[in-house]
Amino acid sequence: DTAVSQTPKYLVTQMGNDKSIKCEQNLGHDTMYWYKQDSKKFLKIMFSYNNKELIINETVPNRFSPKSPDKAHLNLHINSLELGDSAVYFCASSQGQGAHGYTFGSGTRLTVV
Amino acid sequence: GQQVMQIPQYQHVQEGEDFTTYCNSSTTLSNIQWYKQRPGGHPVFLIQLVKSGEVKKQKRLTFQFGEAKKNSSLHITATQTTDVGTYFCAGGTSYGKLTFGQGTILTVHP
Repeated sequence: DTAVSQTPKYLVTQMGNDKSIKCEQNLGHDTMYWYKQDSKKFLKIMFSYNNKELIINETVPNRFSPKSPDKAHLNLHINSLELGDSAVYFCASSQGQGAHGYTFGSGTRLTVV
Repeated sequence: GQQVMQIPQYQHVQEGEDFTTYCNSSTTLSNIQWYKQRPGGHPVFLIQLVKSGEVKKQKRLTFQFGEAKKNSSLHITATQTTDVGTYFCAGGTSYGKLTFGQGTILTVHP
């Protein structure tokens, strides 16, 4: 039983393409997140949703658009992919503000060529 | 904005040696969390500290939260090869935002 599942695990695509990453959690958490981890391991928050409502929207190019159809799902769509978008993208979830920690998915390694 | 600095960036130790990573925030935190990410894996929650001066232990791991709630440390006693990975602190604010430090990459030589 995977708590936070992301698909796909790997994504290799050409510059200029549009791609989506899907995330689902079966923990009953009310808050979900997207994080980007660069090659130096730095984890940077991109978006956060609480009960389908956007609550954190960091300085991220508007080519990135999150969508939360319900509180168990948070998808990330990326338009016009650029080389600099190559990274590992992690979905995470928590109950409320995460007093019991965030549960991360296994990540999506995006490579833009 | 809030910044969370973590040092060192890298630490190489011989198996059996101790290891410490330090975390400093530019602002007072409401809580601090620690995560471990194994090579090729994802961050896994270890613990949360909330109270000023709090100390918590998990087997060989000791976590501390500073009196001013602006710094924290993770100490591992007698490292083992299974301790290899990146350790992140993450500072939480009263409005729920969690900011991760840059992480400390630990390698343990057998």
